[in-house]
Amino acid sequence: AQSVTQPDIHITVSEGASLELRCNYSYGATPYLFWYVQSPGQGLQLLLKYFSGDTLVQGIKGFEAEFKRSQSSFNLRKPSVHWSDAAEYFCAVGALNTGNQFYFGTGTSLTVIP
Amino acid sequence: DGGITQSPKYLFRKEGQNVTLSCEQNLNHDAMYWYRQDPGQGLRLIYYSQIVNDFQKGDIAEGYSVSREKKESFPLTVTSAQKNPTAFYLCASSTIDTTYEQYFGPGTRLTVT
Repeated sequence: AQSVTQPDIHITVSEGASLELRCNYSYGATPYLFWYVQSPGQGLQLLLKYFSGDTLVQGIKGFEAEFKRSQSSFNLRKPSVHWSDAAEYFCAVGALNTGNQFYFGTGTSLTVIP
Repeated sequence: DGGITQSPKYLFRKEGQNVTLSCEQNLNHDAMYWYRQDPGQGLRLIYYSQIVNDFQKGDIAEGYSVSREKKESFPLTVTSAQKNPTAFYLCASSTIDTTYEQYFGPGTRLTVT
């Protein structure tokens, strides 16, 4: 069965510190992987996506993610966190020919302290 | 600017009443989706539509209904049969060729008391 796991429900980091949010997936087909960010009461904004090719992908707002097939992971990273990065982050996986199913993780809430 | 609009942002209803949430897009996308978001549960797919006058149930369609009379519009009705309707509802759209890349509206928070 397809699933996406974000093991960390909540993470707190200091402003300027590095960040890594974990995402593991279970998917039968070749996955397309995404990270979205959601500010309180808002919709989801796409941060970055991986379809194929270079396993390190760059996104908006200084975020990057690395696809590791052997670990079924797609972790999100940022070298230096800003206070405005405080939000909920969702990992998602989709694929071709899946009946439009698009699976989301349960999210990781990020708090940034001064 | 192209995008997805959802209205209203906040909606309050009494238990037993049906309520319709609006979703409009001007991205010229063929596919549209409705998701429900509850704390700690991520997003769950309610319904999706790939073409006008056609739609498919998602994982949690019970108690909900949709229509797709126009390409730009995909309204969701939360019926009185939905046992726990209070939630944040997100609408999304995509092209048919890239259904794995979805664009989201700002959401509607529905509270039923």
